[in-house]
Amino acid sequence: QSVLTQPPSASGTPGQRVIISCSGSRSNIGINTVNWFQQLPGAAPKLLIYSNNQWPSGVPDRFSGSKSGTSASLAISGLQSDDEADYYCAAWDDSLNGYVFGTGTTLTVL
Amino acid sequence: VQLVESGGGLVQPGGSLRLSCAASGFSLRSYALHWVRQAPGKGLEYVSAVSADGGTTYIANSVKGRFTLSRDMSKNTLYLQMGSLRPEDTAVYFCTRGSGPKYFDSWGQGTLVTVSS
Repeated sequence: QSVLTQPPSASGTPGQRVIISCSGSRSNIGINTVNWFQQLPGAAPKLLIYSNNQWPSGVPDRFSGSKSGTSASLAISGLQSDDEADYYCAAWDDSLNGYVFGTGTTLTVL
Repeated sequence: VQLVESGGGLVQPGGSLRLSCAASGFSLRSYALHWVRQAPGKGLEYVSAVSADGGTTYIANSVKGRFTLSRDMSKNTLYLQMGSLRPEDTAVYFCTRGSGPKYFDSWGQGTLVTVSS
């Protein structure tokens, strides 16, 4: 069961900027860092953003993350057809003593 | 860094299965390892984990009392022993590495577990 809430879908045209939100609570996003993952169809998830706004090696800076209070956001600028994927946020939850994932957002590039 | 899962398959309700996650390019003594599953067409669910020193484990409430973890340090491999399997355990099970802020920085390809009669 997901503790972090994301919109089920998002869409944009090539070149546009899209923002995906992730809403949690004090016990997870409120006091812990957020990571974002991209899952292409039929593939394993891939780490996209860590520590709220840091890029792992090889991830383009078209992807950016931010956090405020108990919510986080992933922004994708210069949208490309290759960006069509599912996106998930995650954070450690101090109440559950485990990690929790977002409900996931399917991004469609029109 | 590579993680390779194996052991999935078709099993009847109430049955058992043991999944393996073989790690290479790093030592299990240095990183926590986690299991994350994804039911068909659904999102990611955090299932279980063991810390790098092996002293701390996590088992999600949904599988507590049915799933257990173990490690073979000589083989650098993590195991997930699954018992009393239910249809709702049907999912692709991913193994992923992570400690500190870069949690889940590397993933295996996943292994499919299907619980059905």
